Amino acid sequence: GNSVTQMEGPVTLSEEAFLTINCTYTATGYPSLFWYVQYPGEGLQLLLKATKADDKGSNKGFEATYRKETTSFHLEKGSVQVSDSAVYFCALSEFGNEKLTFGTGTRLTIIP
Amino acid sequence: EAGVAQSPRYKIIEKRQSVAFWCNPISGHATLYWYQQILGQGPKLLIQFQNNGVVDDSQLPKDRFSAERLKGVDSTLKIQPAKLEDSAVYLCASSAQETQYFGPGTRLLVL
Repeated sequence: GNSVTQMEGPVTLSEEAFLTINCTYTATGYPSLFWYVQYPGEGLQLLLKATKADDKGSNKGFEATYRKETTSFHLEKGSVQVSDSAVYFCALSEFGNEKLTFGTGTRLTIIP
Repeated sequence: EAGVAQSPRYKIIEKRQSVAFWCNPISGHATLYWYQQILGQGPKLLIQFQNNGVVDDSQLPKDRFSAERLKGVDSTLKIQPAKLEDSAVYLCASSAQETQYFGPGTRLLVL
């Protein structure tokens, strides 16, 4: 079956540091890949997505590239802010089926 | 555009009691999902509806959980009787164009 493996947290960084959160997946066929973010006290929000190999999703300074050869979709940001503190979830959906399979989440804390 | 609405936001019950959660999806979204998110884990799909029909309920514990989506709009998820391990956040989502939009969730504590 499908699965998503995320870098274990929690992750603590100083403001303006570079961020990478690793995500690898196992899936049949050609899945779509997503990063969702959950801010404290709020629901899950779509951060970015990529639907085919070599696509790059980007939003709010975050980027992730769909790497079919390494089955990865790592999340990066060049300079994090305190407001980026949240839990980040990597997820996939199979082609033709919108059902999401999530990773366990990575809690990110940015300190000023 | 209004987002996915859920109620209640919080619920505390004792084991063996029953509880129901309500979800109103984004207008026009035909597909609706219920997820269970246990503390420290990613959300796990419980059931998926397409309009008022069930598409996938393979991970729904049917001996105690039930869900319906009458008229293809609002949905309710019920647990009867609740167990301690049902303590979790229950998330509702609706989708369009391969993107799911989540509600704020209902946090359930079973004592």
